[in-house]
Amino acid sequence: DTAVSQTPKYLVTQMGNDKSIKCEQNLGHDTMYWYKQDSKKFLKIMFSYNNKELIINETVPNRFSPKSPDKAHLNLHINSLELGDSAVYFCASSQGPTSGIEQFFGPGTRLTVL
Amino acid sequence: GENVEQHPSTLSVQEGDSAVIKCTYSDSASNYFPWYKQELGKGPQLIIDIRSNVGEKKDQRIAVTLNKTAKHFSLHITETQPEDSAVYFCAARNYGQNFVFGPGTRLSVLP
Repeated sequence: DTAVSQTPKYLVTQMGNDKSIKCEQNLGHDTMYWYKQDSKKFLKIMFSYNNKELIINETVPNRFSPKSPDKAHLNLHINSLELGDSAVYFCASSQGPTSGIEQFFGPGTRLTVL
Repeated sequence: GENVEQHPSTLSVQEGDSAVIKCTYSDSASNYFPWYKQELGKGPQLIIDIRSNVGEKKDQRIAVTLNKTAKHFSLHITETQPEDSAVYFCAARNYGQNFVFGPGTRLSVLP
């Protein structure tokens, strides 16, 4: 059973389009995250939700809008895609938002904007 | 905010040798330090972690040491095997704050 799953695994689209990436976790965790990994492998947090409430929102363009319909799902919608949005996006979850809690990562979604 | 540096960026070792990756952090309030391994095409996976009240932790061939005074922590892998080849990330976190990851180290274990 996959703990954290993401769809799609690959996403190729044209500049200016709107796209969504879906994430689901079956671990019963309260907290979910979105990370962006650029071409140099640098991992940076974008958003964090705890019990469907936004708790971390790093400096991310407002073209990115996360949505958490329930504790097990955290989707990422991106409007007006730009070339610089090309990256691998990882969803992760943890039992809670506090320190010392392991994060479980999904397999990633490779987004390519042409 | 927290800043995590990681060295080296690439590391090649012969199979059976040891590998050491070092990280430094800036926020003295950080109290949790995990290490993640990322294999090609996969998400990062936790391999070991250490909390600020512990100086060393070991799990089979993997160990992590923490020096709170100097604000640095290290990953030690002994008897390296080809399957240890991956990108390794260190991270630091303070209570209620988000994880800050180091830039990663690409480890290659040569047979």
